[in-house]
Amino acid sequence: GPKVLQIPSHQIIDMGQMVTLNCDPVSNHLYFYWYKQILGQQMEFLVNFYNGKVMEKSKLFKDQFSVERPDGSYFTLKIQPTALEDSAVYFCASSSQNTLYFGAGTRLSVL
Amino acid sequence: GQQVQQSPASLVLQEGENAELQCNFSTSLNSMQWFYQRPGGSLVSLFYNPSGTKHSGRLTSTTVIKERRSSLHISSSQTTDSGTYLCALEPGYQNFYFGKGTSLTVIP
Repeated sequence: GPKVLQIPSHQIIDMGQMVTLNCDPVSNHLYFYWYKQILGQQMEFLVNFYNGKVMEKSKLFKDQFSVERPDGSYFTLKIQPTALEDSAVYFCASSSQNTLYFGAGTRLSVL
Repeated sequence: GQQVQQSPASLVLQEGENAELQCNFSTSLNSMQWFYQRPGGSLVSLFYNPSGTKHSGRLTSTTVIKERRSSLHISSSQTTDSGTYLCALEPGYQNFYFGKGTSLTVIP
């Protein structure tokens, strides 16, 4: 089936540093998403993105977060600066006709 | 508030038993999707089911819009079915909210 690729699978950084999480969505999909999941807890919506713009974001999408997808490249989530509470698995998803496809996630550990 | 409620929170079955997982939602529905999350974390789409009943092997999903609920039935459970089952609600257009999931353990 369709694949969403996320790079890297695991990232360890020091608090205060910047981190960029990369996502390669399904090629013909138009809507992209980021979700956050702390270990053993609920999958939480962060943001969705369409036609180069943020369509909707949740309260978890702090001012330190930003997303973009420059033409032909990855859909990225940047956190600058990172905080300890940003440690979680971040899942990227893309959709077409209401069906979500997820990547395997990037485990972010902020020390 | 919490738009999507899943029950039970956890379930332990003997291999071969059936399971019924529930998802109730408090808002209007544009679509509903069921996912299986492996113990390692990745998600697999099981059903896109905005209304009615759909079948896939041992799995059946039924969504009743008027009653604001969707169910996932697993028949003849196997140990490989163990993991977390998530439902995701699309209340509007192209925005999806998840329940907390049902953790299923199937023992041999």
